[in-house]
Amino acid sequence: GQNIDQPTEMTATEGAIVQINCTYQTSGFNGLFWYQQHAGEAPTFLSYNVLDGLEEKGRFSSFLSRSKGYSYLLLKELQMKDSASYLCAVKGRDSSYKLIFGSGTRLLVRP
Amino acid sequence: NAGVTQTPKFRILKIGQSMTLQCTQDMNHNYMYWYRQDPGMGLKLIYYSVGAGITDKGEVPNGYNVSRSTTEDFPLRLELAAPSQTSVYFCASHPGTAFDYGYTFGSGTRLTVV
Repeated sequence: GQNIDQPTEMTATEGAIVQINCTYQTSGFNGLFWYQQHAGEAPTFLSYNVLDGLEEKGRFSSFLSRSKGYSYLLLKELQMKDSASYLCAVKGRDSSYKLIFGSGTRLLVRP
Repeated sequence: NAGVTQTPKFRILKIGQSMTLQCTQDMNHNYMYWYRQDPGMGLKLIYYSVGAGITDKGEVPNGYNVSRSTTEDFPLRLELAAPSQTSVYFCASHPGTAFDYGYTFGSGTRLTVV
């Protein structure tokens, strides 16, 4: 089976840095994805990690530790438009590319 | 390039009615998926397909059926709608050839069963 845990809500201040954690337990692992979802919209792809370490994409970075079953998404220089839900998703070892999603973390950025 | 198109965007069904949620993509992606998202929750996989003529169950398939007669289309059928099927339904596609390529999602269908 698979279990993915994320905090339900977080609040941060505009211009600050926030780290959103994700822990997972899976029967097979072949990559971890982060998606952003604004209210009422579809999720959009942010990042992908399959090896341990940090992947950086502009203001967003994502980290993976496979031995610990742990990932985080780091958002720097927060902007009001970053207020959204952030979904962690795990890909299994099969060839279907199907993703199992966590419940998401709702981030509120305050002025 | 339209991407993934879902219709309808909104629908209200009465208990016991049936309907088909349409999903079509124009990117020639082999892999397609149906997810549902309940309020404040993540996405749950209903069914998926790795190519025309091939479908398989996901985490929550009960009460749903799918078909994949062409690469482009992946309709989701609800038979005997129940209030528990009130949710937002997302269709997604993936080329199946690159690990670091995320899903392309449709804009969703918001379904209410009363």
